[in-house]
Amino acid sequence: EAQVTQNPRYLITVTGKKLTVTCSQNMNHEYMSWYRQDPGLGLRQIYYSMNVEVTDKGDVPEGYKVSRKEKRNFPLILESPSPNQTSLYFCASRQGASGGATDTQYFGPGTRLTVL
Amino acid sequence: GDSVTQMEGPVTLSEEAFLTINCTYTATGYPSLFWYVQYPGEGLQLLLKATKADDKGSNKGFEATYRKETTSFHLEKGSVQVSDSAVYFCALSDRGGTSYGKLTFGQGTILTVHP
Repeated sequence: EAQVTQNPRYLITVTGKKLTVTCSQNMNHEYMSWYRQDPGLGLRQIYYSMNVEVTDKGDVPEGYKVSRKEKRNFPLILESPSPNQTSLYFCASRQGASGGATDTQYFGPGTRLTVL
Repeated sequence: GDSVTQMEGPVTLSEEAFLTINCTYTATGYPSLFWYVQYPGEGLQLLLKATKADDKGSNKGFEATYRKETTSFHLEKGSVQVSDSAVYFCALSDRGGTSYGKLTFGQGTILTVHP
């Protein structure tokens, strides 16, 4: 089954404790991205990756890091989480990289993060 | 920059009522337009899309027409069901500039359908 998976689904942590949220897709997609969802704001892009070893900032990158060492995986790293990073996080992937604006993006199930 | 504005919610309807959720956009290039749906506790799923002016996207009884002259992509359904209760997001993906097809989302509209 074609899918995007994320782990963990739920996470409660404390300020300053490094964490990683994993994302994996089995569709051989080139483009992957991370979004955060906050009430009244919709989803906003954190980082995206056009392909292996190619990543760039989205609209709200502060406090986050990513890496793309393999095509299927795109982990989101919070080196020193703060309470304002409490949010619902979604990973997404899309077949095309550049010029792929008409392609459908496929979303993971989400990770609900609470930073105390 | 690009932006998407959805009608304020939440929207509460009775089963079999007509649904309209308004969506307007601002884009620097020539965007593709999408409606995504998020059921409780789940991720986003594509509901429908349109990639050029006057295209009509449709799926599961939902429809939306890409109106370039009014920069709109309103979502409609003739007869809603309880199972349509969800959060609906309008989004665009701009083909111009350096956005590389980033999705820009509206704030989401919560739909609740009562029996």
